Amino acid sequence: GAGVSQSPSNKVTEKGKDVELRCDPISGHTALYWYRQSLGQGLEFLIYFQGNSAPDKSGLPSDRFSAERTGGSVSTLTIQRTQQEDSAVYLCASSLSRTSSQETQYFGPGTRLLVL
Amino acid sequence: AQKVTQAQTEISVVEKEDVTLDCVYETRDTTYYLFWYKQPPSGELVFLIRRNSFDEQNEISGRYSWNFQKSTSSFNFTITASQVVDSAVYFCALSGRGYNFNKFYFGSGTKLNVKP
Repeated sequence: GAGVSQSPSNKVTEKGKDVELRCDPISGHTALYWYRQSLGQGLEFLIYFQGNSAPDKSGLPSDRFSAERTGGSVSTLTIQRTQQEDSAVYLCASSLSRTSSQETQYFGPGTRLLVL
Repeated sequence: AQKVTQAQTEISVVEKEDVTLDCVYETRDTTYYLFWYKQPPSGELVFLIRRNSFDEQNEISGRYSWNFQKSTSSFNFTITASQVVDSAVYFCALSGRGYNFNKFYFGSGTKLNVKP
């Protein structure tokens, strides 16, 4: 596709349920990032993938959060036993190179998660 | 430590006024990159500019201009003759080398309101 796509665009779930958020990066982009943006806040880094591996998981807020990437393309962010404080917009970004810090990250439209 | 500070939480101007958004960064890297992103009400982050630490030339793109000063660790963004469509949240970001070399450090954002 032309840009980063994310699905679903909106998700409402009940506290305690598991959710899966999907990100489809720009074709050919080897680096993929997940961020969280709470209402009116800046971006909080969650995890970064180089290809299928995640060298930096330092931003994951708890062990309820996990992410995987298969085939060097699509990534899934899973939140288990969701809590109300997980409500936020989850943004995915991709960049061309996995070795250069200069590469611009291009963002998807985000998934708005609401935990009731 | 890597850090980006956008001290202005929210700015309101009247259309056609000039406005400058401040960005101050901290880094131990000698090679780093600075970015500005725009987040309109629709939510999707839009890339505006990338600058590397070796290039201190100011840049102008239409009504947008950027002033990079290493001496003060600042990368300020000026919109000339602002328009209502410029209303958005603007984020400054930093990336650099090191273990987390592809990690972006975002400021907390400045919300710009341009009134007609």
